[in-house]
Amino acid sequence: NAGVTQTPKFQVLKTGQSMTLQCAQDMNHNSMYWYRQDPGMGLRLIYYSASEGTTDKGEVPNGYNVSRLNKREFSLRLESAAPSQTSVYFCASSRQGVNQPQHFGDGTRLSIL
Amino acid sequence: QQPVQSPQAVILREGEDAVINCSSSKALYSVHWYRQKHGEAPVFLMILLKGGEQKGHDKISASFNEKKQQSSLYLTASQLSYSGTYFCGTEHADSWGKLQFGAGTQVVVTP
Repeated sequence: NAGVTQTPKFQVLKTGQSMTLQCAQDMNHNSMYWYRQDPGMGLRLIYYSASEGTTDKGEVPNGYNVSRLNKREFSLRLESAAPSQTSVYFCASSRQGVNQPQHFGDGTRLSIL
Repeated sequence: QQPVQSPQAVILREGEDAVINCSSSKALYSVHWYRQKHGEAPVFLMILLKGGEQKGHDKISASFNEKKQQSSLYLTASQLSYSGTYFCGTEHADSWGKLQFGAGTQVVVTP
């Protein structure tokens, strides 16, 4: 059972480079999420997709774009990476609606020099 | 606004108990609890619903105090496997489906 799969697991970028983080889930979930996790800050929502074809900004969307490619896949793009975007990025998925547990991928550790 | 968790960290001996609190300044609809071990993904523990009962997961239980807009997580007779960082995620009526996470409580259980 794969659950939520994120690629790559690690990446180092130079300032100004672009990059797309990939996320796929095989649980037939409608809702998908992108979070970033920084020391002492917990998880902060970047973007959210309630269902295929819809996306919504979270708490910290600046500098990011997302694409909900289909029901399974939700990608996060950094158009021009900045050192402040150095973080661990987690993708999660859940059934649509309230009170639904979220299932997380293993994360992408991204460093921007 | 991010919910406030307390304490920030706690060190326990095996078999001891601990309580982690999660408070919100906004009216809560539900509270989710997750545990994350170092270098791993957060793992779902339980959801507490407004007006719902106390939930349990093994010897970990939680409660929801609607008056105080607070949830508490109880680690009872702690085991070494309970070590990790515990996060609460709050869900509000104006943002269903989206969670706001606290900064986390680091729990270390020693033999």
